Amino acid sequence: GAGVSQSPRYKVAKRGQDVALRCDPISGHVSLFWYQQALGQGPEFLTYFQNEAQLDKSGLPSDRFFAERPEGSVSTLKIQRTQQEDSAVYLCASSLGGEPLAFFGQGTRLTVV
Amino acid sequence: QKEVEQDPGPLSVPEGAIVSLNCTYSNSAFQYFMWYRQYSRKGPELLMYTYSSGNKEDGRFTAQVDKSSKYISLFIRDSQPSDSATYLCAMSAGAGRRALTFGSGTRLQVQP
Repeated sequence: GAGVSQSPRYKVAKRGQDVALRCDPISGHVSLFWYQQALGQGPEFLTYFQNEAQLDKSGLPSDRFFAERPEGSVSTLKIQRTQQEDSAVYLCASSLGGEPLAFFGQGTRLTVV
Repeated sequence: QKEVEQDPGPLSVPEGAIVSLNCTYSNSAFQYFMWYRQYSRKGPELLMYTYSSGNKEDGRFTAQVDKSSKYISLFIRDSQPSDSATYLCAMSAGAGRRALTFGSGTRLQVQP
């Protein structure tokens, strides 16, 4: 596609509910990143994929967070047993190769109530 | 202390002014430097990309990197109300650590 596509744009979850956020990167982009952006802050790195391999998951805040990219294209970020502190915008970005130059999607705004 | 420091603003300027936005950083391994613009409720949009030290110009935008001082700048000439947004600096060490480390963003308001 023309850009990075994320869905849903907005998600409201009850505390304890599981959520799944989807990212469709730019076609042909090898690298895919997930970031978390709290209100008034810059994005913070969560995890990185090169094709289907998850090469860096050092930013995932707890074992409730899980990401996958099984066929090296679409990726899903799953959050289990959501907590209020998980409320944030989740951004997906992709880049063509190994360079850090990344293009971002519009984000999914998650609100946990 | 954060790896990348950025003044949050808000910065308010009149239309036509030259705007200077800055970030300092502490990690000497950073080699890739980017500026993103983020409008409210949108994703960050890549504005400028620089590898290592030096200047880069693109239209009304100029990015400068001074690795010896660990200081980067973005200049916007002839600022327009449409430039009103949050500007995020981002940097990466590159190979082996491709994740971007962002500043907290500077909110810019250009008054017509």
